[in-house]
Amino acid sequence: NAGVTQTPKFQVLKTGQSMTLQCAQDMNHNSMYWYRQDPGMGLRLIYYSASEGTTDKGEVPNGYNVSRLNKREFSLRLESAAPSQTSVYFCASSEQLLAKNIQYFGAGTRLSVL
Amino acid sequence: AQTVTQSQPEMSVQEAETVTLSCTYDTSESNYYLFWYKQPPSRQMILVIRQEAYKQQNATENRFSVNFQKAAKSFSLKISDSQLGDTAMYFCAFMRGSGNTPLVFGKGTRLSVIA
Repeated sequence: NAGVTQTPKFQVLKTGQSMTLQCAQDMNHNSMYWYRQDPGMGLRLIYYSASEGTTDKGEVPNGYNVSRLNKREFSLRLESAAPSQTSVYFCASSEQLLAKNIQYFGAGTRLSVL
Repeated sequence: AQTVTQSQPEMSVQEAETVTLSCTYDTSESNYYLFWYKQPPSRQMILVIRQEAYKQQNATENRFSVNFQKAAKSFSLKISDSQLGDTAMYFCAFMRGSGNTPLVFGKGTRLSVIA
């Protein structure tokens, strides 16, 4: 099973450039999430989507936008990249079925902004 | 807002020994879930173990077990018979309410298993 697929795996941007991080899940999950991981900071929530058609801000949303394109896909867009957005980005999805509430993560995208 | 604190940035353990990683959390919620995730050098986030707050019994998964102290808001992870493959970052995480909500992570503990 593919699970949660993120593209690209690595990306280098110049300050001011834009890009979209793609995320797709094949587990028919309702909820999807974007986190960023910085050294010594753990993972912090950027945005999440509880269900298709809804999105909500997390702890660190500034400089990002998201789109829940359909139930499978949840993209993260950087309109004007800044060096402070250098980080590793993780997408995750979850389903409340059977009350397991487990989040499944993609392999991450390492982004460097120069 | 919920917070999760992992007070041990780094730990090491000899192969085959037992190690305990600490985690405390702060919440006013009565219903919640707690998790430990492992992140090896591959960067993949792997679920190790989960605990429902309404269950008094501590969760176990093979060599991994937790000590869940609800009143003290403590959720430690015990790894028995440590193996070289256990070398990784370990994150404690909190999920509020009835579930299917975002995770709040601690800053992590880097565990090294020494041969």
